[in-house]
Amino acid sequence: SQQGEEDPQALSIQEGENATMNCSYKTSINNLQWYRQNSGRGLVHLILIRSNEREKHSGRLRVTLDTSKKSSSLLITASRAADTASYFCATVPYSGAGSYQLTFGKGTKLSVIP
Amino acid sequence: GAGVSQTPSNKVTEKGKYVELRCDPISGHTALYWYRQSLGQGPEFLIYFQGTGAADDSGLPNDRFFAVRPEGSVSTLKIQRTERGDSAMYLCASSLLGDSDTQYFGPGTRLTVL
Repeated sequence: SQQGEEDPQALSIQEGENATMNCSYKTSINNLQWYRQNSGRGLVHLILIRSNEREKHSGRLRVTLDTSKKSSSLLITASRAADTASYFCATVPYSGAGSYQLTFGKGTKLSVIP
Repeated sequence: GAGVSQTPSNKVTEKGKYVELRCDPISGHTALYWYRQSLGQGPEFLIYFQGTGAADDSGLPNDRFFAVRPEGSVSTLKIQRTERGDSAMYLCASSLLGDSDTQYFGPGTRLTVL
């Protein structure tokens, strides 16, 4: 079963604009991770944010986490055509059995138009 | 190697046949995971290995699916009596230790059952 829900399902922007994708989840988490997938191939790990962190940056990526609202956002600044891909959030449960299983949402399909 | 590798990249088979999908994890990673991704969906957990043993196979859909990791490195996912509904992308990931570590994914094997 899928825990995360990304929003929007699809996003189309012009090169140079910022792209924001949101993720909501249902249960308590240890951490939340964002992945990118190009053309239905393998997933590329982008960033991991732990439940006690509120914001993390990596290059043009900024991730926020609000555990009270069970939501996260991924911001890509100054987008490039090469950012065109599907973006997934995945959660790792807080503790106990399955605290290694990634539970993915359905993803946001981002198109960056040159 | 530099990353997780999976072979074959594509596999087309006929209904009822047996298939094997191979995963080579990142050298030194003790944890290995298999996920399955249907079109338009996020990946779903199948099985987790810690070393040679399957620590959690709760995601395997039925007893036609089986996976091994005999020497704690390479893993093989085996599917007996394939059905059309088994058509999907099968993704392998590895992590250094497991238990909420970052998971690094391979490029996947796209399985098509005719």
